[in-house]
Amino acid sequence: AQSVTQLGSHVSVSEGALVLLRCNYSSSVPPYLFWYVQYPNQGLQLLLKYTSAATLVKGINGFEAEFKKSETSFHLTKPSAHMSDAAEYFCAVSDEGTGGYQKVTFGTGTKLQVIP
Amino acid sequence: GAGVSQTPSNKVTEKGKYVELRCDPISGHTALYWYRQSLGQGPEFLIYFQGTGAADDSGLPNDRFFAVRPEGSVSTLKIQRTERGDSAVYLCASSSTGSSTDTQYFGPGTRLTVL
Repeated sequence: AQSVTQLGSHVSVSEGALVLLRCNYSSSVPPYLFWYVQYPNQGLQLLLKYTSAATLVKGINGFEAEFKKSETSFHLTKPSAHMSDAAEYFCAVSDEGTGGYQKVTFGTGTKLQVIP
Repeated sequence: GAGVSQTPSNKVTEKGKYVELRCDPISGHTALYWYRQSLGQGPEFLIYFQGTGAADDSGLPNDRFFAVRPEGSVSTLKIQRTERGDSAVYLCASSSTGSSTDTQYFGPGTRLTVL
């Protein structure tokens, strides 16, 4: 079974500073990887996904992530944090469930705090 | 267009009661998923529907949990004899086909509290 590990349940950055949220995956086959964001009392929203095309993936709101097979990592970055980035971020990996459908396994999440 | 909607947004019930949680997916999406998110955790898979059929219900914790999607659109998650440990946010997601590269679109969730 595939899995993801998010390092750091809480991360604090100053407004304007670099955001780096870490995710490592475990997979026996080339994975499909996702980052989702969850704002308070809202559902999850896709930020970006890696589906074996370009290893550097650009997403919404200025976020990007780089797939590094040698490090089994898919870290999320943003050059300059904005107050509106404060939310919880989930890394996820997709596998094929019974019948070949998309079965997604989520990490435990990282809460990002942006300090003015 | 409209996204995934879930009702109710909050449900408070007493231990032992029966509850139904509803999910309205994006129109035309054949794949529908239910997840449970406990405090401080990521969403955990419960069940997957392709059309009207439950293709994978391996995530349902026990036989008190059941879900249906009779017409291949709206889905209802049913929990019998609720227990305090069932308290969580229940998320529904839909995607166009269910393929591994699909994007799942999530609803806002139903927060279930069992007293």
